[in-house]
Amino acid sequence: QVQLQQSGPGLVKPSQTLSLTCDISGDSVSSNSVTWNWIRQSPSRGLEWLGRTWYRSKWYDEYAVSVKGRITIKPDTSKNQFSLQLSSVTPEDTAVYYCVRAGYHDSSDYRVFGYWGQGTLVTVSS
Amino acid sequence: DIVMTQSPLSLPVTPGEPASISCRSSQSLLHSTGYNYLDWYVQKPGQSPQLLIYLGSNRASGVPDRFSGSGSGTDFTLKISRVEAEDVGVYYCMEPLQKYTFGQGTRLEIK
Repeated sequence: QVQLQQSGPGLVKPSQTLSLTCDISGDSVSSNSVTWNWIRQSPSRGLEWLGRTWYRSKWYDEYAVSVKGRITIKPDTSKNQFSLQLSSVTPEDTAVYYCVRAGYHDSSDYRVFGYWGQGTLVTVSS
Repeated sequence: DIVMTQSPLSLPVTPGEPASISCRSSQSLLHSTGYNYLDWYVQKPGQSPQLLIYLGSNRASGVPDRFSGSGSGTDFTLKISRVEAEDVGVYYCMEPLQKYTFGQGTRLEIK
């Protein structure tokens, strides 16, 4: 059974960098069939996909246009985890952040957001 | 960018009665494979979202058969044949065709 455990500070000052980590159990961050995603949720923006990383003989990443240039999602194979860094945060970045595994469901070759972390409320405030 | 529009945004339902949620996309979600790339998720109170329906009409593992998904192209519907108290939550449609855009959510509550 895959489990995702998030960690990181719940309060970040404006202009600083938001950093969260997602520990993976029951799977490998280097798995060739899944992607590792970050999604956030706020009252003003709803559920918003931020980006993902994945391994297919080498590492790839992809980011939402809304945060491109400020976001980095990186794997850490030694700890079997992946992380989110969002720089130059403003109060608009206040949200619950989720790490999410996208993998094949049952016998289909279609990836779904099947496993979610518990969510971390990050407040951007001085 | 694809825009996902749900209606209604609030849905009070009497237990045992049916419920229906509409989701419309600004672009067709019909993939070249012939499948509709549209998923439904539910977020129950205090929980992370969880998968309900994938590829428009396939129930995820463990989802009761009172839930069904239908539609094609740009118009999709989630139906609950007989609402139960445990179905309370916010229901989201999502397109994985482009950039994983979610609808605004429909809050189902028990009358």
